[in-house]
Amino acid sequence: QALLVQSGAEVKKPGSSVRVSCRSSGENFRTYYTSWVRQAPGQGLEWMGRILPKFTTANYAQKFQGRVTITADELTTTAYMEISSLRPEDTAIYYCARDGASTGYYMDVWGQGTAVIVSS
Amino acid sequence: EIVLTQSPATLSLSPGERATLSCRASHSVSSYLAWYQQIPGQAPRLLIYDASIRANGVPPRFSGSGSGTDFRLTISSLEPEDFAVYYCQQRRDQGSFGGGTKVEIK
Repeated sequence: QALLVQSGAEVKKPGSSVRVSCRSSGENFRTYYTSWVRQAPGQGLEWMGRILPKFTTANYAQKFQGRVTITADELTTTAYMEISSLRPEDTAIYYCARDGASTGYYMDVWGQGTAVIVSS
Repeated sequence: EIVLTQSPATLSLSPGERATLSCRASHSVSSYLAWYQQIPGQAPRLLIYDASIRANGVPPRFSGSGSGTDFRLTISSLEPEDFAVYYCQQRRDQGSFGGGTKVEIK
């Protein structure tokens, strides 16, 4: 069973950038999509985008296009999600998740979440 | 962009009762829909995918139905651990989520 371990909490100033990592301990990292989902305090889930490491191509929700960059490093089996020009409304828990082939490419394994706080 | 609307926002029920949650899509998503359960403080858990297939380890009291634009998640008899928030998600066009339904103890 794959395990996704995310980097620790971050506190950032408005206008800065943050990069969150997600290390996979499972096999076949390069052939599974890794998705990113965020959850603002007391709010619902928001799909941000995903990457297939095998092809190094990412696609993004329209809302995040241009401000979010998702990358993956096959050597370290780690995916990254970077947000630039941070705003207070980006304060949220950020989750990575694996889109499992055996579960129809839905998110069947999740990281523990990374809290990002944006405050001046 | 496909918008998913869940109803009701909150469902107040007692243990042992049947829960029926709805998810409506703004455009057809065929059967490309999943349901997740989230307990406060935890990451979401995949329950149902492709509208009606239970994920590994999910008890049979959870069932999903629907296709196109209208979907349902049914919990046949609520257990104490089922009181949580439930989200639907489509993967027909990217991966949007519904706003969630909170199932709370009455």
